[in-house]
Amino acid sequence: DTAVSQTPKYLVTQMGNDKSIKCEQNLGHDTMYWYKQDSKKFLKIMFSYNNKELIINETVPNRFSPKSPDKAHLNLHINSLELGDSAVYFCASTLGQGWYTEAFFGQGTRLTVV
Amino acid sequence: QKEVEQNSGPLSVPEGAIASLNCTYSDRGSQSFFWYRQYSGKSPELIMSIYSNGDKEDGRFTAQLNKASQYVSLLIRDSQPSDSATYLCAVLSNFGNEKLTFGTGTRLTIIP
Repeated sequence: DTAVSQTPKYLVTQMGNDKSIKCEQNLGHDTMYWYKQDSKKFLKIMFSYNNKELIINETVPNRFSPKSPDKAHLNLHINSLELGDSAVYFCASTLGQGWYTEAFFGQGTRLTVV
Repeated sequence: QKEVEQNSGPLSVPEGAIASLNCTYSDRGSQSFFWYRQYSGKSPELIMSIYSNGDKEDGRFTAQLNKASQYVSLLIRDSQPSDSATYLCAVLSNFGNEKLTFGTGTRLTIIP
């Protein structure tokens, strides 16, 4: 069983479209994240949720809207896609109950906006 | 100043030599530190975690932490071509509302 799974793995779409990426974890973790990785490999945190509650929102344009229906799921919806949104988006989860916690990553979603 | 900084690289090391990767962080309240390895086209995978000052060894990998200097390093002994990857330093802060912040990564190439 995959611990953190994201769908889709690849997404090619035109500018101006709206798209969603889904993430699910079966680890029983409390905290989930969305990261954006650019072409230079920098993993920039976008959002984190703890038990369905938004904890971190790192100055991301409001075209990006996360949604956590339960603590095992964190989805990312992007409106009015722009060329600069092209990147790999990673979902991750951590136990969220203290310091001694590692992050598990999904396989990533490569988004290409044309 | 970035919250987590790494030596930018790329770094090339001969096979069998020691590769040294460095990371500094700005939040003095950080308590947990991680090194991730990422192969091209893959997701990051954890290779080391360290929580207290000093050295922690796991096989060919040694992580070093100095909280006073806000410095974390990773040494890879007897470097192998399979160690060629991007190495990401990550720092966990904000106990209770945890935030896992990554450095910019160091691309390491082991030369056979």
